[in-house]
Amino acid sequence: DGGITQSPKYLFRKEGQNVTLSCEQNLNHDAMYWYRQDPGQGLRLIYYSQIVNDFQKGDIAEGYSVSREKKESFPLTVTSAQKNPTAFYLCASIGGGSTDTQYFGPGTRLTVL
Amino acid sequence: AQSVSQHNHHVILSEAASLELGCNYSYGGTVNLFWYVQYPGQHLQLLLKYFSGDPLVKGIKGFEAEFIKSKFSFNLRKPSVQWSDTAEYFCAVNAYANDMRFGAGTRLTVKP
Repeated sequence: DGGITQSPKYLFRKEGQNVTLSCEQNLNHDAMYWYRQDPGQGLRLIYYSQIVNDFQKGDIAEGYSVSREKKESFPLTVTSAQKNPTAFYLCASIGGGSTDTQYFGPGTRLTVL
Repeated sequence: AQSVSQHNHHVILSEAASLELGCNYSYGGTVNLFWYVQYPGQHLQLLLKYFSGDPLVKGIKGFEAEFIKSKFSFNLRKPSVQWSDTAEYFCAVNAYANDMRFGAGTRLTVKP
């Protein structure tokens, strides 16, 4: 089945540690996204990538980093510089350009202890 | 970058009441507009979308939305809500180059 995979579903880390969240898609989509979802704040865009080896900052990129070495993969690293990293992280992709629909992964809930 | 505003944070309705959720965006050019729904414990699902043509679009589960360009609005409506419509609703705008932004969401509670 085609879709977006995010792993793990739940992730716990100690404060001060970097952590990388995985996002893989087999939809052959060009554009991929990372959002952070917090109660009452909706989905806020962290980074997005339209093609391999290219990505742009969203509204809340500070403390995060990404890479796009392969079309199907768009990992997000939450660094120790992110002041409030505990959140639900969603990965998404779009295939057919700006007139297509965005597909979402199941999300990863990160808790920093 | 464009921004999206959803004015109602939490709406509480009784079953069979009519629903209208507001969504406004800030971008002045051509936009593609979406409404997504997230049921408790589930993924985001697309309710409906507008790309061009008839500004009144119909989606799944009896929802519809009207694009009013002059008001930069894309309000979601349903004539008669059901208990099963209890969920969080997100408006989203794709203005250019796949720069996709979401509103803060509106939580809908439908009382049986």
